[in-house]
Amino acid sequence: GQQVMQIPQYQHVQEGEDFTTYCNSSTTLSNIQWYKQRPGGHPVFLIQLVKSGEVKKQKRLTFQFGEAKKNSSLHITATQTTDVGTYFCAGPGGSQGNLIFGKGTKLSVKP
Amino acid sequence: DSGVTQTPKHLITATGQRVTLRCSPRSGDLSVYWYQQSLDQGLQFLIQYYNGEERAKGNILERFSAQQFPDLHSELNLSSLELGDSALYFCASSAGGGYTYEQYFGPGTRLTVT
Repeated sequence: GQQVMQIPQYQHVQEGEDFTTYCNSSTTLSNIQWYKQRPGGHPVFLIQLVKSGEVKKQKRLTFQFGEAKKNSSLHITATQTTDVGTYFCAGPGGSQGNLIFGKGTKLSVKP
Repeated sequence: DSGVTQTPKHLITATGQRVTLRCSPRSGDLSVYWYQQSLDQGLQFLIQYYNGEERAKGNILERFSAQQFPDLHSELNLSSLELGDSALYFCASSAGGGYTYEQYFGPGTRLTVT
């Protein structure tokens, strides 16, 4: 079935360093969504990308969708302790309407 | 607060038992999804309902079943529980049934099977 692979699984950074997580699919994705789950919390929707080569920014977060719509990335500039959590990408699971989530990248930030 | 409510927050039960998890979607949302999240694991999609009908099925065990009622709340029934069923179960809702709709997650039900 449809799968989205996410790397790395874990990332430890010093506060102020940049962070990037990557999401890859073997098939073309019509859209991709990103979610953040804080420790002890529930996933929260961040953004959706639908166009080839699309780039969207939210303050220090930059989201990109690849030209072939098979990969996506989330880049955080100058991480802060509030960025701690697990970041998930999610793509269409099939023809029905569900999303398939990647395994996530767990980000820890050392002050 | 996402507007999605789940009860109970915590559930501790023994192997072989049956439990029911309940979810109320955001007001106006027609679609409900159930996910299982084990320790340090991703979100495993279980099942989706849209306006009372089953829409999509993921890796849901035969011991598990779900339904969505006319008032759009949903229940996930887990039976013949095993130790490996211990996990966090999330419900999410969205306005529509397609995968372009953002999903709003509830706080989850933490199930512990002893």
